[in-house]
Amino acid sequence: DGGITQSPKYLFRKEGQNVTLSCEQNLNHDAMYWYRQDPGQGLRLIYYSQIVNDFQKGDIAEGYSVSREKKESFPLTVTSAQKNPTAFYLCASSSPRSAGLSYEQYFGPGTRLTVT
Amino acid sequence: SQELEQSPQSLIVQEGKNLTINCTSSKTLYGLYWYKQKYGEGLIFLMMLQKGGEEKSHEKITAKLDEKKQQSSLHITASQPSHAGIYLCGADRGSNYQLIWGAGTKLIIKP
Repeated sequence: DGGITQSPKYLFRKEGQNVTLSCEQNLNHDAMYWYRQDPGQGLRLIYYSQIVNDFQKGDIAEGYSVSREKKESFPLTVTSAQKNPTAFYLCASSSPRSAGLSYEQYFGPGTRLTVT
Repeated sequence: SQELEQSPQSLIVQEGKNLTINCTSSKTLYGLYWYKQKYGEGLIFLMMLQKGGEEKSHEKITAKLDEKKQQSSLHITASQPSHAGIYLCGADRGSNYQLIWGAGTKLIIKP
């Protein structure tokens, strides 16, 4: 079955440590996204990538980093510079915007990160 | 500031009753997406609307985009416990792959 996987489901880290969240998709989508979700605030875009080896900052990129070395993978690193890293992180992917293709975003199950 | 306003923030509905959730923008919406989320899980795509006046239905859920393309509504008929969750609307920013999102509406179905 095609889909997006995120691992782990729950992640606990000590303050000051960097942590990497995994996101893998087998939908053959070119575009991938990372969002952060906090209670009552909807989704906020951290980074997105339209093609391999290219990515752009979203609205809240400070304290985060990404890489896109393979089409299937878009890992997110939460660095110690992120002031409030505890949140629910969602990865998504979509087809490119071409005529005849639907480009809704497909989401993974999410990773809940807790930093203490 | 939030560019997409969702209302209400939360909703408690008796099982079997109808309900409506709204998503409003001050700007023209070029693509409006509705998603459902169970607590602590990923988002499930429901429907996408693009044209003014467009209406789509799937099972007991109907979504509409007004003629001005600034407001969308999601209507659930004869609600069931399986409809409970958080409903989010998202909209195209117009020039790239990004979406902007509403804050979500939490729906609780009372048995």
